[in-house]
Amino acid sequence: QQQVKQSPQSLIVQKGGISIINCAYENTAFDYFPWYQQFPGKGPALLIAIRPDVSEKKEGRFTISFNKSAKQFSLHIMDSQPGDSATYFCAASAAGGTSYGKLTFGQGTILTVHP
Amino acid sequence: NAGVTQTPKFRVLKTGQSMTLLCAQDMNHEYMYWYRQDPGMGLRLIHYSVGEGTTAKGEVPDGYNVSRLKKQNFLLGLESAAPSQTSVYFCASSVRAANSPLHFGNGTRLTVT
Repeated sequence: QQQVKQSPQSLIVQKGGISIINCAYENTAFDYFPWYQQFPGKGPALLIAIRPDVSEKKEGRFTISFNKSAKQFSLHIMDSQPGDSATYFCAASAAGGTSYGKLTFGQGTILTVHP
Repeated sequence: NAGVTQTPKFRVLKTGQSMTLLCAQDMNHEYMYWYRQDPGMGLRLIHYSVGEGTTAKGEVPDGYNVSRLKKQNFLLGLESAAPSQTSVYFCASSVRAANSPLHFGNGTRLTVT
């Protein structure tokens, strides 16, 4: 049972373009939604995260948009650069109870930015 | 600081063999996790620990055991390896606080033939 569904599986964008990755979740107890970035041969690393009390969070060229009613959130990468080529994972967790701190990850999106 | 260190980086096992994956963190983190990464499946939680001497099952615990005898180490064991356990295994750690980021190691690529 995949509680967080991510799309697309792969994405090719030209340098300077906008990359958009979408995620949808089912568990309404989720209250924390991070995005992780993974380069080949490395472990994932936190890129940006959002709580459901805001609809958007921006850090540099990276923006998370959050739609609580639709149970969807997305990552936008503006002015995409070849150095952004990586695998991106959305994730979700619930702070309370036995799920404290445990992340449920999406399937991942392989982003390739062509120069 | 080394962060999270995983050993070995690569390993090939035959079906039925056993092995232990080692994870060490030098950040004094309370929480530690083992995930496996498979194409199209994302990262799935195998086991986790909220402190020294404690362990708990994650989403896909069958066929694995773990131990956390020291705060800085978290061991993942495969008693009788199966081809379905071919995967990349990641260890992660975090502080004991809601929504704290996970710090991942660089993974162990395991192939079971």
